[in-house]
Amino acid sequence: KAGVTQTPRYLIKTRGQQVTLSCSPISGHRSVSWYQQTPGQGLQFLFEYFSETQRNKGNFPGRFSGRQFSNSRSEMNVSTLELGDSALYLCASRLEGQGASYEQYFGPGTRLTVT
Amino acid sequence: GQNIDQPTEMTATEGAIVQINCTYQTSGFNGLFWYQQHAGEAPTFLSYNVLDGLEEKGRFSSFLSRSKGYSYLLLKELQMKDSASYLCAVEDNYGQNFVFGPGTRLSVLP
Repeated sequence: KAGVTQTPRYLIKTRGQQVTLSCSPISGHRSVSWYQQTPGQGLQFLFEYFSETQRNKGNFPGRFSGRQFSNSRSEMNVSTLELGDSALYLCASRLEGQGASYEQYFGPGTRLTVT
Repeated sequence: GQNIDQPTEMTATEGAIVQINCTYQTSGFNGLFWYQQHAGEAPTFLSYNVLDGLEEKGRFSSFLSRSKGYSYLLLKELQMKDSASYLCAVEDNYGQNFVFGPGTRLSVLP
């Protein structure tokens, strides 16, 4: 079974621009979460989508948004990029349901550099 | 507030045993997870505890005490490939929100 995939793997953007990152979960997984990872702050939860609905949201400004499609693929968007948005953005999917395990499976991440 | 603490770095010798501690204070609790992350790679799941006690999985074991807000990950028969960061994460019970600790970077020396 294919793992979680994320595109692009690397991205360089300029301050003020906007960016869209994509995540394809493991087949059958309907829960998709997004995280930002930086050396100083560690892994921080952005939001979680389940069946096309944002089910939970972390403490990030409104410049960070996301959506999920009917095939469970998810995108996150960051508008008006700031230098501090430079980070590794990780997507994780999870299987839910009776008898399902609870661990998250992470994708390889998108390394975003804002100059 | 949400707070998870772990030691920043640890060093151990190949073949030894190491214990990585994690203390947490979260608004809710729906389980505690340990992940391993090698440099430049994504985190991978190691263990899950929701009830008090020890969960053993091969060379790795994880312990949880909910009353103390405390967990540890025990790694036995250390191998060089165990050099990685180990992340403690709590799932609070307000939806499926995961709070991650800062991670413990473990170096295994020959």
